[in-house]
This record gives sequence, C-alpha cells and structure tokens, in this order.
Amino acid sequence: KNQVEQSPQSLIILEGKNCTLQCNYTVSPFSNLRWYKQDTGRGPVSLTIMTFSENTKSNGRYTATLDADTKQSSLHITASQLSDSASYICVVNGQNFVFGPGTRLSVLP
Amino acid sequence: GAGVSQSPSNKVTEKGKDVELRCDPISGHTALYWYRQSLGQGLEFLIYFQGNSAPDKSGLPSDRFSAERTGGSVSTLTIQRTQQEDSAVYLCASSLALRQGGPNEKLFFGSGTQLSVL
Repeated sequence: KNQVEQSPQSLIILEGKNCTLQCNYTVSPFSNLRWYKQDTGRGPVSLTIMTFSENTKSNGRYTATLDADTKQSSLHITASQLSDSASYICVVNGQNFVFGPGTRLSVLP
Repeated sequence: GAGVSQSPSNKVTEKGKDVELRCDPISGHTALYWYRQSLGQGLEFLIYFQGNSAPDKSGLPSDRFSAERTGGSVSTLTIQRTQQEDSAVYLCASSLALRQGGPNEKLFFGSGTQLSVL
C-alpha cells in the first residue's frame, strides 16, 4: 500500500534553533517528493521538490534530503523563525500524489 | 486571479442539508484537484479534472459527493445530505501539468473551505 509517514507528529523549538523533520514512504513507482508548508488556515505551499537522482536541495533556510534507497527524506530548518510555525507536509508523487499527515512545528520566542 | 480562490472560507450547516463549495483555479491551469483534510490526517484525494477529459472520481467517498467543472475553469464540489463525518477542510488545487502525477507537477492550493456539520 502506498503510504507516507512523518515524524515527529509535533515539535516545539525555540526561535533561532535548528530542527529536522522526517518522512518515510512506501510509494511506488516514485517520481518525485515535495515538502509543503501549510500555515494555519491556509493551503499548502511548495518548499522544495526532489527527484530520484537528487540527494540534497536547499531553499533559503530549508534543506531537504532524499535517500531513494531507504525511501527516506528529511527537511532541515536552520535558525528557525517565528514565521516557521506551521505544518510541514511530505508529498510523494508516483502515479498520483500521496500525502503524509504532516508535522506540526511551533517556534516559540 | 493571482492564486486559487475558494469560497466560502467557512460553512456551518445542519446534518442532512446540501452544501456547495466553489473553487476558482489559477487562470490557464488545466488540472484541478479536490482534497479533504481532516484534523491530524493527511490530505485525502477526492476528484481530479484535466481539461475536457472525464474526471477521475475514484476518491469520492460516497455517492453523496459530486463535483463539476464548467468551461474548464470554475469547479463546484457538492455534498448532499451532509453527515457529521463530512466535517473537514476541503482544499482545491490547480496545476499546469497535463497529466496526473507528472514529473514536475506542482500544486497550487487555495485556502480551503472549513465545513462544519452540526
């Protein structure tokens, strides 16, 4: 069964700290993997996209990694800001989109 | 418009009533998706429209759910005889991609409609 799991379910960190969110998937076939950020009351917005051949991709303070062999991805946030408080959703694209349940990140001052 | 627009942003209804949710995709986007997001759950696929092709309705949970897309643009999701378990956020997304699951397909989401069935 095509599934995407994310951990932790929720995370609280202090402003300025780094954090790493995890995504494991069993989707096949695999085309690409995206991380989306969803602010409260808003729709998800794409942060990064990674294809099979890519290991690391950065977008500002966000760095995503992909290990296609172990079917794992991570999203690392550096020097967190209050505005990073949101849900982060891992989405794997194969024949269709499979969404993870998200990690709820709270950045406290 | 500049982005995907959904209306209403919030809808409270009584059990058994019908509701209509509207989505205005980004101009020129041929692909349109409806998803349902329940608290603590991943997005659940409902239906997919691509141009003038027959929609992929495989995600609709029951025959109480239906959707239309007129003129390849605006879409309406209709839920008949609403039940309490229909309470969720209904998200619409559009894309330029010409097929579902394309290698570079990027979804642009609206802000959703929060549906509450009392």
